[in-house]
Amino acid sequence: AQSVSQHNHHVILSEAASLELGCNYSYGGTVNLFWYVQYPGQHLQLLLKYFSGDPLVKGIKGFEAEFIKSKFSFNLRKPSVQWSDTAEYFCAVNSPYSSASKIIFGSGTRLSIRP
Amino acid sequence: NAGVMQNPRHLVRRRGQEARLRCSPMKGHSHVYWYRQLPEEGLKFMVYLQKENIIDESGMPKERFSAEFPKEGPSILRIQQVVRGDSAAYFCASSPPAGNSYEQYFGPGTRLTVT
Repeated sequence: AQSVSQHNHHVILSEAASLELGCNYSYGGTVNLFWYVQYPGQHLQLLLKYFSGDPLVKGIKGFEAEFIKSKFSFNLRKPSVQWSDTAEYFCAVNSPYSSASKIIFGSGTRLSIRP
Repeated sequence: NAGVMQNPRHLVRRRGQEARLRCSPMKGHSHVYWYRQLPEEGLKFMVYLQKENIIDESGMPKERFSAEFPKEGPSILRIQQVVRGDSAAYFCASSPPAGNSYEQYFGPGTRLTVT
């Protein structure tokens, strides 16, 4: 069955610390990969996406993610976090070949940044 | 260009009542998706619709839930005889009609509370 695993439910960091959020997926075949962010009280916003090509993807607000096909992973990174990065982060996947391109989401990682 | 719009933003219903959630996709988008987010969980796919057609309803509960996307007007997610377990945030997303439909744009959600 298709699934996405985010191993850290809650991560607490101090400002300027480096961030890495883990994401592993189980999906037969080629995938599209996404990271979404949900700031408190707001709706989901796309941080970055991978469809094909360079496995190192750069997104908004200084975030990047690396697709490692052999590990079925798509970890999110940021070298230096800010208080404003406090939010819930969701890794997600869908199939580029399915006519019903529903997105499968991980359970999310809550990131809290101490000022 | 207005984003995906959902209303109401908050909805309170007593057990046994009906809930109707509305979603207006982005201009030019003809694909609509509904997702549900239970407390402390990620988003779960419910249904994928195109104008006047249900394409994939594999995530819809078998009873009490229905969805439509008429030729004119918003998409409607209808929950009959609501129960406490239906309390959740319901998100709508839309995507363009052809080509790269992998990216979905999310609305602000409707938070349903069943008392």
